[in-house]
Amino acid sequence: EVQLLESGGGLVQPGGSLRLSCAASGFTFNNYALGWVRQSPGKGLEWLSSISGDGGHKYYADSVKGRFTVFRDNSKDTITLQMNSLAGDDTAIYYCAKGRDSVLGDAFDLWGQGTMVSVSS
Amino acid sequence: DIQMTQSPSTLSASVGDRITITCRASQSITSWLAWYQQKPGTAPKLLIYKASTLQSGVPSRFSGSGSGTEFTLTISSLQPDDSATYYCQQYSSFLYTFGQGTKLEIK
Repeated sequence: EVQLLESGGGLVQPGGSLRLSCAASGFTFNNYALGWVRQSPGKGLEWLSSISGDGGHKYYADSVKGRFTVFRDNSKDTITLQMNSLAGDDTAIYYCAKGRDSVLGDAFDLWGQGTMVSVSS
Repeated sequence: DIQMTQSPSTLSASVGDRITITCRASQSITSWLAWYQQKPGTAPKLLIYKASTLQSGVPSRFSGSGSGTEFTLTISSLQPDDSATYYCQQYSSFLYTFGQGTKLEIK
């Protein structure tokens, strides 16, 4: 079955760090770019980061640049989002999503179920 | 960054109606636009990419059009299952951006 499965969410204190993972199955992982998108409670979608199929190209939204880092392990079919210096407005459901191609600049045609991150003291 | 503005923010229509949602970009994105449908408690689902190409498995009552800065998503004959929030997304710039969403209610 073609799917993405996120893990690693939870409750973290302001200023803390968290690492999210997304495990892929059912497709040739290194043939596709991947990304992270979040959704704050009751709000819209916010793109955070994307990484090309070979991992050589990465982009970040201004809101997370310098705090979040994306990387992928094509030998394990996983993508990771390292999140540092977390604040209350980082509270959201975090989705990983698969691009339609290996290069960046395409729509997301497969999404995980999401993992919840709550930042609170 | 490219800003995406959707209208209306909410829409109420009846089964069988034809509805249109508009998405405007702050600068030209040629045809690099996608539409997603999201139902409560679930992940978004890709409906249309490259402004007008229907994703596999999506009913043909959904269609997209436009280029440059103005785009539309049309549902030709609303079904009860179409109740959802719809988002546009530009991917012309590698710094992707989403519209704020349009919540569609079926009367």
